[in-house]
Amino acid sequence: NAGVTQTPKFQVLKTGQSMTLQCAQDMNHNSMYWYRQDPGMGLRLIYYSASEGTTDKGEVPNGYNVSRLNKREFSLRLESAAPSQTSVYFCASSDRDDPRGSKTQYFGPGTRLLVL
Amino acid sequence: RKEVEQDPGPFNVPEGATVAFNCTYSNSASQSFFWYRQDCRKEPKLLMSVYSSGNEDGRFTAQLNRASQYISLLIRDSKLSDSATYLCVVNIAGSARQLTFGSGTQLTVLP
Repeated sequence: NAGVTQTPKFQVLKTGQSMTLQCAQDMNHNSMYWYRQDPGMGLRLIYYSASEGTTDKGEVPNGYNVSRLNKREFSLRLESAAPSQTSVYFCASSDRDDPRGSKTQYFGPGTRLLVL
Repeated sequence: RKEVEQDPGPFNVPEGATVAFNCTYSNSASQSFFWYRQDCRKEPKLLMSVYSSGNEDGRFTAQLNRASQYISLLIRDSKLSDSATYLCVVNIAGSARQLTFGSGTQLTVLP
């Protein structure tokens, strides 16, 4: 099993350009997430999808859109990139809660994005 | 105030040392607690869950104090391979955000 995969690994954009970050998981998980990680800020949730066909905003959704294409794939789109979107983007997935109510998330390797 | 606060460090300790990290959370409705580990330029990975009674996994011991809203991680007999950033993570009951991450504590174990 590959777990969670993300493409691309690195990307440089100019302000105003658009791009889509791809994420796929092969663990048959229902829930998928997109985070961004900035120095000193920790991981912040952009969007999540509790199940196929549903998406919801997280803490920092402005400037982003998502698509849950099927159970395996969850993409993140930047329609008009801004320098403030320079960050490392992580996709994650998780299964239903375990009996203690915890929810382990499994992360992809990340996409490093630089917006000039 | 951040919902999950950690001392950013860095903590530089010699091999074999015992080191402790602390974390506080602000929402008393928090329900589940975790420590994740993140190596440099890599993704976070679950290190261990934290249970109310405290729990141990080899050299790692996690404690939870709900009254003080405080979580700790103790690493005994530190190894070079323990060098990483340790993220304190909280699941707030009923929160659509699922998991809230602290910004991490950086540990370097020195030979």
